[in-house]
Amino acid sequence: SQQGEEDPQALSIQEGENATMNCSYKTSINNLQWYRQNSGRGLVHLILIRSNEREKHSGRLRVTLDTSKKSSSLLITASRAADTASYFCATDLDSNYQLIWGAGTKLIIKP
Amino acid sequence: DTGVSQDPRHKITKRGQNVTFRCDPISEHNRLYWYRQTLGQGPEFLTYFQNEAQLEKSRLLSDRFSAERPKGSFSTLEIQRTEQGDSAMYLCASSPYEAGELFFGEGSRLTVL
Repeated sequence: SQQGEEDPQALSIQEGENATMNCSYKTSINNLQWYRQNSGRGLVHLILIRSNEREKHSGRLRVTLDTSKKSSSLLITASRAADTASYFCATDLDSNYQLIWGAGTKLIIKP
Repeated sequence: DTGVSQDPRHKITKRGQNVTFRCDPISEHNRLYWYRQTLGQGPEFLTYFQNEAQLEKSRLLSDRFSAERPKGSFSTLEIQRTEQGDSAMYLCASSPYEAGELFFGEGSRLTVL
């Protein structure tokens, strides 16, 4: 079952522009995580935001969490060709640690 | 130790054959997870170990699937009597503590002909 749903499913932008991806979920969470996956490769952890946090930054990444709307957004600023990948959100419901994943947003950065 | 390693990276097999995948987690991580991922989808949870104990197993995991972590270090995932629907990427991840980030391997891609 999928808890998170990313929006949009695909996004294509010019290098240097900002990219925003959204994730909505259905039930209360302990934390929400964002991962990146290059084609045919494993997933790489980007950011973890806890339910009592509203915003987190890491380099060119900014993640927000709105628990009242059950949604999160991932902003990548000043995009680069190397940012081309699929981005997934994953929610941790009860710290028993079964993450629930969305289907991802496929991001393409055009040079 | 540079990360989670999985072997083999690619496996092509005929329907009905058995296959086994191996995962070596980051050495100090006591938690190990197996996921399955099909094209265009997110990872789907299969099973979870804390040390050598298998604490959780997805209902989606049929009796043809079995996973072990005999000494709390490496893990194996075996699929018996493979079916075409088993074709997917099998991902292993490890974690050092509860409710933390997962460290993934590069995955083992299975193609069942």
